[in-house]
Amino acid sequence: NAGVTQTPKFQVLKTGQSMTLQCAQDMNHEYMSWYRQDPGMGLRLIHYSVGAGITDQGEVPNGYNVSRSTTEDFPLRLLSAAPSQTSVYFCASTTSGANQETQYFGPGTRLLVL
Amino acid sequence: LAKTTQPISMDSYEGQEVNITCSHNNIATNDYITWYQQFPSQGPRFIIQGYKTKVTNEVASLFIPADRKSSTLSLPRVSLSDTAVYYCLVGDNSGYALNFGKGTSLLVTP
Repeated sequence: NAGVTQTPKFQVLKTGQSMTLQCAQDMNHEYMSWYRQDPGMGLRLIHYSVGAGITDQGEVPNGYNVSRSTTEDFPLRLLSAAPSQTSVYFCASTTSGANQETQYFGPGTRLLVL
Repeated sequence: LAKTTQPISMDSYEGQEVNITCSHNNIATNDYITWYQQFPSQGPRFIIQGYKTKVTNEVASLFIPADRKSSTLSLPRVSLSDTAVYYCLVGDNSGYALNFGKGTSLLVTP
């Protein structure tokens, strides 16, 4: 299994541009999430999904859209990039069971908005 | 979601045992306690999870007192490669998403 993959690894945008960060997992996990991590900070939840067709907002959803048309993919869209969105973005997928739950994280996308 | 409090940073020498304590006073009955490790430029990695008492795996031990209002991650005989940020999370397993705080930055030196 490839686990959780993210593309691109790095991206530079100009203010106002839009783009989509891709995330895919091949573990058949129902739950997927997007986080952002700013320098010296922990991870903050942007959006999450509990299954195909179902998404919800996390702690910092403004300026981002998500969709979940398949179990495998969970893209994150920046509608109009702003310098405040400069960050490292992590996608995660989650297995859940009777007494165990772990999140598997992708390698991250480093985004710079000028 | 239950709020967690953990030290911002800790220092240790190689070969020592490191204990990182996390407070979660408003933990709910269905909540589990999960610890993650994050190296620079990488996503967090699951270390250990528990509900009560003690859990041990090949990497660490997790001690949870009876009232569950705190937990302690124990790393035996740390090495330089254990230098990382450690996050304590509390949440239930309905659990699509957990929120991470700033974590504890552990520095291991020779």
